[in-house]
Amino acid sequence: DIQMTQSPSSLSASVGDRVTITCRASQSITNYLNWYQQKPGKAPKLLIYAASSLQSGVPSRFSGSGSGTDFTLTISSLQPEDFATYYCQQSYSTPPITFGQGTRLEIK
Amino acid sequence: QVQLQESGPGLVKPSETLSLTCTVSGGSISSYYWSWIRQPPGKGLEWIGYIYYSGSTNYNPSLKRRVTISVDTSKNQFSLKLISVTAADTAVYYCVRDLGGTIDYWGQGTLVTVSS
Repeated sequence: DIQMTQSPSSLSASVGDRVTITCRASQSITNYLNWYQQKPGKAPKLLIYAASSLQSGVPSRFSGSGSGTDFTLTISSLQPEDFATYYCQQSYSTPPITFGQGTRLEIK
Repeated sequence: QVQLQESGPGLVKPSETLSLTCTVSGGSISSYYWSWIRQPPGKGLEWIGYIYYSGSTNYNPSLKRRVTISVDTSKNQFSLKLISVTAADTAVYYCVRDLGGTIDYWGQGTLVTVSS
């Protein structure tokens, strides 16, 4: 299985900050990388697919980049509703699709 | 707008079978892949497997021996069966629409607790 490792595991930031979350794959996954946001008690929501494509309806302050093994999710200016847990997920080599362990973004 | 809704028992005894059904509304199940994903309390996400509307399946190797996913296109439903459950199978179970590895629609999730 391809292992996905996110860093940091948790992060404290303030409204208006620029935040970057990193995801590393254990082998090249080209651009088969998605990002999800999960709020407490809710299902995850697709933010970014194919490493850098913004899902319809997702605010433009979210962006993704990277290819191969290293990827980033950036939130350009944090809003109160962005405090959540973020997961990366690979779909290059399946089964199984695999997720990172999550990054919890908290209010400073 | 596609909607997915999980249904089934919230409590299953150890060694018994977990059975869940997902009802798809707002769109036909007769296209796309349809998957199950679970999340133990306070932990991360684990993909269980998918079914294509034609009936072809693919499972997580870690669960393959215990999992069966089936589809009923006449009812716009797909189902999960997990046999020989233990406490480690306690989780929120999500049914999802899978675009070949990208999950774009999720059910609200249902908590299944394995306990005697």
